[in-house]
Amino acid sequence: GENVEQHPSTLSVQEGDSAVIKCTYSDSASNYFPWYKQELGKRPQLIIDIRSNVGEKKDQRIAVTLNKTAKHFSLHITETQPEDSAVYFCAAMGFKTIFGAGTRLFVKA
Amino acid sequence: KAGVTQTPRYLIKTRGQQVTLSCSPISGHRSVSWYQQTPGQGLQFLFEYFSETQRNKGNFPGRFSGRQFSNSRSEMNVSTLELGDSALYLCASSQGQGTYGYTFGSGTRLTVV
Repeated sequence: GENVEQHPSTLSVQEGDSAVIKCTYSDSASNYFPWYKQELGKRPQLIIDIRSNVGEKKDQRIAVTLNKTAKHFSLHITETQPEDSAVYFCAAMGFKTIFGAGTRLFVKA
Repeated sequence: KAGVTQTPRYLIKTRGQQVTLSCSPISGHRSVSWYQQTPGQGLQFLFEYFSETQRNKGNFPGRFSGRQFSNSRSEMNVSTLELGDSALYLCASSQGQGTYGYTFGSGTRLTVV
């Protein structure tokens, strides 16, 4: 069946460094790729998204890239801050919505 | 505008009982999806409703069911509760299906004892 693989499962970086989380999807019908951030004890929140007709999108310190041919997309966070510490989920959406397993990001001050 | 509202926020039930959870989506959103989240686990898809029709269903036993009303509000029901059903149940609404981001509710934390 369709799935989304997300790596790494845990990521620890020093404050100010960059963090990259990668996802690979299998469903060719997927055409929308959102990223969600879930802080401890809170609901997941949409932080950035990209559609299949776009290769890259930026919003301040975060960016997402999409390679449709390879079926993978990545989240890039630059100049990380302690408040970026959270679990990040990627998703591939089309007729179905499939989430990755999540990446726990720790930003050390 | 008001966010996604889930009720109740917390629930404690006894094994074997049944439970109904409610979700009111953002006004104008016609798609409602339900997810189960256990500690340290990801988001396990339960079902998706659009305009009162179930569009997709995850790999959960038949004890899990749901429905959507004409005003887009949705309910999910779990019958014959098991200890393993203890989890955070999240509802998410979106404008449509497939190419719109979700807005999640705060969830209902269900504990089965």
